[in-house]
Amino acid sequence: DAGVIQSPRHEVTEMGQEVTLRCKPISGHDYLFWYRQTMMRGLELLIYFNNNVPIDDSGMPEDRFSAKMPNASFSTLKIQPSEPRDSAVYFCASSFYTGYGYTFGSGTRLTVV
Amino acid sequence: SQQGEEDPQALSIQEGENATMNCSYKTSINNLQWYRQNSGRGLVHLILIRSNEREKHSGRLRVTLDTSKKSSSLLITASRAADTASYFCATDAAPPKGAQKLVFGQGTRLTINP
Repeated sequence: DAGVIQSPRHEVTEMGQEVTLRCKPISGHDYLFWYRQTMMRGLELLIYFNNNVPIDDSGMPEDRFSAKMPNASFSTLKIQPSEPRDSAVYFCASSFYTGYGYTFGSGTRLTVV
Repeated sequence: SQQGEEDPQALSIQEGENATMNCSYKTSINNLQWYRQNSGRGLVHLILIRSNEREKHSGRLRVTLDTSKKSSSLLITASRAADTASYFCATDAAPPKGAQKLVFGQGTRLTINP
């Protein structure tokens, strides 16, 4: 298995633009997580899915953020409109089940100018 | 909000020495996990210890868990330059519904000097 695959690796966009981050989890993993990492706030859980259903989105900072998981092999995190304070590294991770280690993707480094 | 807090924030040692990092957390947990992150990369799962376990080993890694003190430690023996990375503890502060949700600490930045 190629692991958790995220795209793009880097994204630079202008304030106000829509940004879409993509994630392909490991086949057979029932849980998918979106995290954001910044120097100031560390790793923050934004949202997670179980069997493609959003379970907890309490970490999504604002209505500008939305996430979908249309099937077991694909998820997107969308920011519309983007703002400079959204600049961070966004990680996707997947896991078999509760109480199991996560496999992280390589992350998407987002810069909003 | 941060559930786990690592100590120290940064640690620099000589190659071959042992490195110890500590993690404290606030609420009851089901398990505690340790991850490594190399600069510019994603996190890599190292080891998981359940709340009913006190110690676990994996290669050069040794993890202890003291649920009465709500603390854990990660020991890396015979350190190597390749161990240079940030190390994070993570706990599943499970909500009442029992769903999974890992919360990460701020990490310890470990530097191994040759």
